[in-house]
Amino acid sequence: KQEVTQIPAALSVPEGENLVLNCSFTDSAIYNLQWFRQDPGKGLTSLLLIQSSQREQTSGRLNASLDKSSGRSTLYIAASQPGDSATYLCAPADGTSGSRLTFGEGTQLTVNP
Amino acid sequence: NAGVMQNPRHLVRRRGQEARLRCSPMKGHSHVYWYRQLPEEGLKFMVYLQKENIIDESGMPKERFSAEFPKEGPSILRIQQVVRGDSAAYFCASSRQGNNSPLHFGNGTRLTVT
Repeated sequence: KQEVTQIPAALSVPEGENLVLNCSFTDSAIYNLQWFRQDPGKGLTSLLLIQSSQREQTSGRLNASLDKSSGRSTLYIAASQPGDSATYLCAPADGTSGSRLTFGEGTQLTVNP
Repeated sequence: NAGVMQNPRHLVRRRGQEARLRCSPMKGHSHVYWYRQLPEEGLKFMVYLQKENIIDESGMPKERFSAEFPKEGPSILRIQQVVRGDSAAYFCASSRQGNNSPLHFGNGTRLTVT
């Protein structure tokens, strides 16, 4: 059974800092891994999807890496902004054709102006 | 491009009633997923459906819960004889393909059982 751990659970930083969110998972037999953000009372917004054969994926100020064999992924956020404040969730995909995501508890990020 | 649409946003039911939650996937998406987020817990997979087929229901409770995705119309998650422990946020997601496609989530339906 897949288990996902995200560290830290909460993070508060001043605007402009670069930061790293960590994710570890127990079962390395995954199809891909997605990073999401969740704003209070809202659904999830997909940020990045890394295929199991990839090491890294970038979108704007976000960069996600994947080390499948060791069961780790990191999300790097450059030049953080107050609008980045949200809960960040990582979710490796397994199950039928990679259809089942297992979520961690998330990292609650606050970027202070 | 409309995203994944879920309704209602909030639903209140008394114990023993039925709850029906609806989800319309993004345009062009034929794969639908339901997830549940219990208070103070992470999201948990419930079921994966394609049109008229249940592909993976390994996360569905054995009793009272059912899901469908008919040829026409939205996907429905149905909870019969609700209990207080069913109170949660229920999220629907859709994808264009089932394999290695990003999932796009709706804003959820918050079910409260009184």
